[in-house]
Order: sequence, then C-alpha cells, then structure tokens
Amino acid sequence: GIQVEQSPPDLILQEGANSTLRCNFSDSVNNLQWFHQNPWGQLINLFYIPSGTKQNGRLSATTVATERYSLLYISSSQTTDSGVYFCAVGAAAGNKLTFGGGTRVLVKP
Amino acid sequence: DGGITQSPKYLFRKEGQNVTLSCEQNLNHDAMYWYRQDPGQGLRLIYYSQIVNDFQKGDIAEGYSVSREKKESFPLTVTSAQKNPTAFYLCASSIYLRNTEAFFGQGTRLTVV
Repeated sequence: GIQVEQSPPDLILQEGANSTLRCNFSDSVNNLQWFHQNPWGQLINLFYIPSGTKQNGRLSATTVATERYSLLYISSSQTTDSGVYFCAVGAAAGNKLTFGGGTRVLVKP
Repeated sequence: DGGITQSPKYLFRKEGQNVTLSCEQNLNHDAMYWYRQDPGQGLRLIYYSQIVNDFQKGDIAEGYSVSREKKESFPLTVTSAQKNPTAFYLCASSIYLRNTEAFFGQGTRLTVV
C-alpha cells in the first residue's frame, strides 16, 4: 500500500516563528488532507489539498502531486498551534485515508 | 449542529469482554470509517462502509466487528479476540466520492483493565 512519511517528527518553536512541515507519499493520490490533533485528541481539518496551494489565515499548504509531496506552512506561530499535525492521503476509491506518523509541534511563549 | 458524535468519550473494559463504541453522523454522508490510534502514532484503518448494509475490512480488522444498518450509524465492537484493544478510536465520515474531504468525531479512549 501507499507509504506516507512526515518530517520532522518533532519541532520546537519560539512564539512568532515560522515553520514548514513536509509530507512525502509513495504513489499517486486523489485525496490529501492536513489535520491538527489537539491535546484532547480531536482531529481538526486544516486543508483538503490533493493539488495546488491554499491559505487559511496564518496557515497555508501546497501539494505538488507530480513530485509526491505536500508542505504545510505555519507563520507567526502561537502557543495554540501546539499539537500534532497529520498528513493523510487517499489513493483508491472509497476515500480510505493512510496517515503519516505526524509532526509534534511545541510552540513556546 | 451537523457533525459526528462518538460515545462514550472514555471506556473501561475488563479482559475477555466485548464492548461496543458508538458513532453517529447527521451530515448525510454515505461513507463511514473507523480508525485506531496508538500513543505517538498515526491512525490506522479498521473498517469502512460505503453504503448501508455493506462494509469492508481495513488494514487491522482482526478482533473487531461492525454493522451498518442505518446511514447515520456505524457502531464498532471490540471483541475479546482483539489482543491489544487499549487505544484511541476515531470515527470518520465522508461523501462517497473519489475525492472528498473526511471529517472526524472526537474519539473514544478505550482502556482494558
């Protein structure tokens, strides 16, 4: 099956810093989503982005499907950005998602 | 409010007992999914259903069972055959099309005591 790798595994930021999270996948996909998992475990949808670029406030994402990677940008980070960020891809009908291992982000005040 | 509701939030089970986790959605989505998350890891697919009265095994279906009698509901039973059931369980739903966004419930944390 498809493999999804996220990097870095851990990221410590000072409040106000910018960062880039990466997601590499091993095959063509027809679905790619970025999630933020909060401390209570809930998965918050950030982006649905199988290709192209999207922006939502301080967050933006770019997927280059032909090169099999996606990037999530966090600008002017805040302590509330702390948590785990997951990339998930779908490569088959039925919209089944395969998740990466996540990037654990800690933003220090 | 539209969304996905999982219950209970926390569940404790004795070894050898079956337990059923509830997942209900009012988004009118055709497809529903169950995922398992172990500490420090990503999510893995247990079962999914694309339509009422039909469901398919995911990557880690052994020791689990599901039913889909109604479009809104997709309960997951963790059986005594599941060797390591302590985990965080998340339910999701999506419109059953090839390229659509999936949404998740708040999860159920199951602990075997």
